[in-house]
Amino acid sequence: GENVEQHPSTLSVQEGDSAVIKCTYSDSASNYFPWYKQELGKGPQLIIDIRSNVGEKKDQRIAVTLNKTAKHFSLHITETQPEDSAVYFCAATLSGGYQKVTFGIGTKLQVIP
Amino acid sequence: DGGITQSPKYLFRKEGQNVTLSCEQNLNHDAMYWYRQDPGQGLRLIYYSQIVNDFQKGDIAEGYSVSREKKESFPLTVTSAQKNPTAFYLCASSIQGTATGELFFGEGSRLTVL
Repeated sequence: GENVEQHPSTLSVQEGDSAVIKCTYSDSASNYFPWYKQELGKGPQLIIDIRSNVGEKKDQRIAVTLNKTAKHFSLHITETQPEDSAVYFCAATLSGGYQKVTFGIGTKLQVIP
Repeated sequence: DGGITQSPKYLFRKEGQNVTLSCEQNLNHDAMYWYRQDPGQGLRLIYYSQIVNDFQKGDIAEGYSVSREKKESFPLTVTSAQKNPTAFYLCASSIQGTATGELFFGEGSRLTVL
């Protein structure tokens, strides 16, 4: 089955700096890669996703890149703000009917004002 | 407001007791899921249901049971057979029973076994 590794597990950055979270996946057939943000005491919420036919996707201060050959994808947050502090999960899955979503272990991001 | 409602938010249980966690959604989604969240282990799938009256085991179904009698409801029972039930439980739904779409999560239920 699919295995998703995520690092770092914790990340502290100064407000205004950039943050990068990296994930690798094992199954080359995976073709959908979502990122979820979980604020304290709440459920995760989708913030951005990317499909395997795209190399990069941006949405304001966040961007995701995908390298299919190397089987890794990354989340980039620029100009970090205190409200970016949360746990971020990457995930990978196969298309076609129901295929299980495999999540990374999560990265706890702390933005220091 | 549309969304997923989990209850209770906090639950304490004595060893040997079964407990049921409630999950209700008014998003008219076909598929519903239960995940368990433990520190350092990400989200692990317990059960999922793509349609009413049908559900499938996930990776860690042992010691858990579910039912899907109504489209909007997917309760999870943590039985006494679950050896390490203390965890944060998340319910989710999606428009269709496909993994390549957004999962909408509830705010979770934290179960502590005393």
